[in-house]
Amino acid sequence: QVQLVESGGGLVKPGGSLRLSCAASGFTFSDYYMSWIRQAPGKGLEWVSYISSSGSTIYYADSVKGRFTISRDNAKNSLYLQMNSLRAEDTAVYYCARGYSPHDYWGQGTLVTVSS
Amino acid sequence: QSVLTQPPSVSGAPGQRVTISCTGSSSNIGAGYDVHWYQQLPGTAPKLLIYGNSNRPSGVPDRFSGSKSGTSASLAITGLQAEDEADYYCQSYDSSLSGWGVFGGGTKLTVL
Repeated sequence: QVQLVESGGGLVKPGGSLRLSCAASGFTFSDYYMSWIRQAPGKGLEWVSYISSSGSTIYYADSVKGRFTISRDNAKNSLYLQMNSLRAEDTAVYYCARGYSPHDYWGQGTLVTVSS
Repeated sequence: QSVLTQPPSVSGAPGQRVTISCTGSSSNIGAGYDVHWYQQLPGTAPKLLIYGNSNRPSGVPDRFSGSKSGTSASLAITGLQAEDEADYYCQSYDSSLSGWGVFGGGTKLTVL
């Protein structure tokens, strides 16, 4: 069965960096676009970024453009999100999801807290 | 403030039918882009409920249905059950945004 497991979240100070990972299993990872979506505490869903199956096409939400970098390693069945210059408003649960529209499988999420 | 507008909350008694609207514009739903719906049970990750406006993934009960007309879409739930109490989100694409996907603000469904 399809499994997506995020890791790498935690507490970081404003201006700091964090790298999230998403380990995929149960499907041919290299065949699928992948996305990151976040949810601030008590708020709705916000699409963050997606990457094509080969990694050649990438999109970012304006709110993270220039600070976040999405990448993937198809040999390791893994998706990544490098987050730099973190701000308080980046505090959220970050989900990795298969596909870009729709997102048919989601991980359980990893919490990122940006606070001094 | 999302470009897709959903009511913050809806409610219904067990067995009833409820609908959740998702109102967009000519740059998203009205432009013909597909609408997808997600269900988020308390404390869990979202789950795809409806894709491509009206299609149900395998395993989703036929009590859930989706439709689209003009610049709006709707999710209907019939035979309401206690376990349907959750947050529901619509999603589409908006050509006026420089990014990609856009979600509605979400609707909290309360089963009375």
